[in-house]
Amino acid sequence: GESVGLHLPTLSVQEGDNSIINCAYSNSASDYFIWYKQESGKGPQFIIDIRSNMDKRQGQRVTVLLNKTVKHLSLQIAATQPGDSAVYFCAENWGNNDMRFGAGTRLTVKP
Amino acid sequence: NAGVTQTPKFRVLKTGQSMTLLCAQDMNHEYMYWYRQDPGMGLRLIHYSVGEGTTAKGEVPDGYNVSRLKKQNFLLGLESAAPSQTSVYFCASGGFPGDTEAFFGQGTRLTVV
Repeated sequence: GESVGLHLPTLSVQEGDNSIINCAYSNSASDYFIWYKQESGKGPQFIIDIRSNMDKRQGQRVTVLLNKTVKHLSLQIAATQPGDSAVYFCAENWGNNDMRFGAGTRLTVKP
Repeated sequence: NAGVTQTPKFRVLKTGQSMTLLCAQDMNHEYMYWYRQDPGMGLRLIHYSVGEGTTAKGEVPDGYNVSRLKKQNFLLGLESAAPSQTSVYFCASGGFPGDTEAFFGQGTRLTVV
């Protein structure tokens, strides 16, 4: 499944499928980006980050891709599990310690 | 290790009342932040601090004040609450963006009636 972040705030996938969550960021000068996961009733939790001098970074079951040309960020989750159901936010560093968050995408994993 | 702790977890205020939200972290972080989260929106930065005794404005600072008298505590004050300040407030602490991830508290749900 694939979303376009702010334009499609929900994404539903089958358990075991790969998920792709997209984010269009706004500041071409942003040099650092983070993906957060927020479960219901909890604060955001760090998933993975990437600096602007990279275009790909991999973690455990997650990969972040950065395309600076079109100011696009994506989060790929491999073999999505029910525990991955949450709202996912991308955040960009506007400078001066100001991390700006997108509106989020709600991921629902169907068993 | 408690991480980031917010007090209180829930609060209902009448318009015009004042209150202070407390954020405490035990990770010796220099940077602390206050965000608000409204339905269907991402987090918006209210104020932040880069160290004890320092504060700075974020994206939506109006109607709020902050203080960082001790490194481990970051206080968010509402002097005269308004219904528009009904929101969920999150505190975070961490190193400089890019050096250390930010850890978030569990949130404070504030309703102003």
